[in-house]
Amino acid sequence: DGGITQSPKYLFRKEGQNVTLSCEQNLNHDAMYWYRQDPGQGLRLIYYSQIVNDFQKGDIAEGYSVSREKKESFPLTVTSAQKNPTAFYLCASSMLTDSNEKLFFGSGTQLSVL
Amino acid sequence: QKEVEQDPGPLSVPEGAIVSLNCTYSNSAFQYFMWYRQYSRKGPELLMYTYSSGNKEDGRFTAQVDKSSKYISLFIRDSQPSDSATYLCAMRRGGKLIFGQGTELSVKP
Repeated sequence: DGGITQSPKYLFRKEGQNVTLSCEQNLNHDAMYWYRQDPGQGLRLIYYSQIVNDFQKGDIAEGYSVSREKKESFPLTVTSAQKNPTAFYLCASSMLTDSNEKLFFGSGTQLSVL
Repeated sequence: QKEVEQDPGPLSVPEGAIVSLNCTYSNSAFQYFMWYRQYSRKGPELLMYTYSSGNKEDGRFTAQVDKSSKYISLFIRDSQPSDSATYLCAMRRGGKLIFGQGTELSVKP
C-alpha cells in the first residue's frame, strides 16, 4: 500500500537530548513537510523540502533540523535547543504541480518530555 | 490577528443534523481552499478541495467559498457519529499551506 509512515508513534525525550523522528513515503512525491500540532491549535510548519538535498525553514524552525538525502525520507531532529518540544508531530508529502498542494499525512508522532 | 480564523468549538449535534463549519481569512492572496478531517491522534485526511468561489459538492459534504467576504464553509448533511472528528480548514499562500486551528465536532447518536 502506498502511504506515509511515521515512527515511532510515541517518543520521550530527556532534558538535553536530541531525538529524531522518522518519516518515509512511497508515494513518489516530490515535496515533504513537517508540521507541529499543539492542543487547540492548527498545524504549524517547521520545515519543508521540495527536492532532494534541499529544504527550507517554515514558520517555527528554531530548535529543529532536517535532512533530505533520499526522495523517500525526511527525518526531523528535535534538538536540545527546542525548549518546549511536547507536541504531536505530523509529516506530510505532496506532488508539485502548478496548482496542486494537496497534502497526504502520516499518522503522527507524539513527543513528550520526561 | 491570525491569517486564518476558525472557531475551535467543540460543536455537538444530534445524528442527522446539518452541520456548518466556517473559516475566515484576511489575506486576499489565498487561492486554494481545503478542508481536512482529523480523527483523534491521527493524521489529517483531505476531505474537500476548491479553487473558485461557489459551491462544490461531494456526497454529504458541500464546500463553499466566498472570496469577496473572505469566508469559507463546510456543510455536512445527515451527520453521522462517524463524522465526529476535528475539521481543519487550510489555504494556500505561496508555497505553503496555512491551517486554521480546527473545529472539534461531536455527532451524538
